[in-house]
Amino acid sequence: QSALTQPASVSGSPGQSITISCTGTSNDVGGYNWVSWYRQYPGEAPKLMIYDVTNRPSGISSRFSGSKSGNTASLTISGLQPDDEADYYCSSFTPINNIGVFGGGTRLTVL
Amino acid sequence: EVQLVESGGGLVQPGGSLRLSCAASGFTFRSHWMSWVRQAPGKGLEWVATIKEDGSIKYYVESMKGRFTISRDNAENSLYLQINSLRAEDTAVYYCATVSYYKAEHWGQGILVTVSS
Repeated sequence: QSALTQPASVSGSPGQSITISCTGTSNDVGGYNWVSWYRQYPGEAPKLMIYDVTNRPSGISSRFSGSKSGNTASLTISGLQPDDEADYYCSSFTPINNIGVFGGGTRLTVL
Repeated sequence: EVQLVESGGGLVQPGGSLRLSCAASGFTFRSHWMSWVRQAPGKGLEWVATIKEDGSIKYYVESMKGRFTISRDNAENSLYLQINSLRAEDTAVYYCATVSYYKAEHWGQGILVTVSS
């Protein structure tokens, strides 16, 4: 099962908005609304930021939003802050293994 | 507060075996699907396996089938991952996580497994 495709890196200035894309196929991202996004700081465990394409877990800032169009899901972070600098991973359910598949990860740099 | 604490990692020789454990607390363990996710040094996340609440259904990523076995003991609030015939490419931090509808909601801090002679 191939990993979902994410850009290796994105960057933005404080206060700006950025979008991270996550491209799969009709067998994963495009076929199901079970897309989630995770933030990971160096040396720490990942943290769930978005689930079911658009939903935020309790306690996650509204600056984080998710969307999907066709086989591509997106994570948008508005009002960038220095502590948004981290690695971000998308994941989608796939019936191929009944578990899921991750994207390769995107390093967000806040300039 | 949900707590997941992994243990059992360390340095293992190629071909050896290891059993990772994940002690759960702060939630009703027997009511949650659970998963293992791994991350090789400097690399991305990779699903390993998932197990149903009662242990009756187990799913593995294709590349993990045969050498990896996920199990659980609901009486002990514990999740396990048995890894046999360890290879250098199994070197990674292994995380346990609660899973609900294909999202990993809560994660442990991870445990490092290093396969080297």
